[in-house]
Amino acid sequence: GAVVSQHPSWVICKSGTSVKIECRSLDFQATTMFWYRQFPKQSLMLMATSNEGSKATYEQGVEKDKFLINHASLTLSTLTVTSAHPEDSSFYICSSSPASYEQYFGPGTRLTVT
Amino acid sequence: AQTVTQSQPEMSVQEAETVTLSCTYDTSESDYYLFWYKQPPSRQMILVIRQEAYKQQNATENRFSVNFQKAAKSFSLKISDSQLGDAAMYFCAYRSSGGADGLTFGKGTHLIIQP
Repeated sequence: GAVVSQHPSWVICKSGTSVKIECRSLDFQATTMFWYRQFPKQSLMLMATSNEGSKATYEQGVEKDKFLINHASLTLSTLTVTSAHPEDSSFYICSSSPASYEQYFGPGTRLTVT
Repeated sequence: AQTVTQSQPEMSVQEAETVTLSCTYDTSESDYYLFWYKQPPSRQMILVIRQEAYKQQNATENRFSVNFQKAAKSFSLKISDSQLGDAAMYFCAYRSSGGADGLTFGKGTHLIIQP
């Protein structure tokens, strides 16, 4: 099956700094990747759709200036949390699809802002 | 906008027994996909089963099967012969058939397996 990786798996940063999370499709090309956010004991919420070579599409209520998404190649999308605050602490998960409707998920990144 | 509702925050079942997790959804679309995902403590999302809305036949994957009622907008998951490894959060999810859309998830059901 298709494999999606994320790096780092866990990051701790200080309030006010920025942190970058990488999502890679290891064995397929992905023109579209998705970023989700999951708070403790809650469900996944779609944050944005990352499109290779074009601007990301953000869901309503997601601050595009805080969560910068770059899809620089067919195998890599990055999510940068700018000027992070403790309320940005969460579990961030990316997913992608090689061609069909089925999505494959990365293992997630736990972000802790102190 | 589509919504997915899972009304059972937690379910408990004895090992080797059968359990059914409920899911309802709301959409105005006629063609779409439905999924059940499992999220164990590792938090890796694992696809359990999928259903295409245009298919009348209910999907089955080994011990996992669904009861898809399109008119009622219901998509329940039945787990037979429950095993300890089935313990996890289970999320029902919806995806539109057209375009490159992300998934809409329900709130999840925490499944506990009693040995």
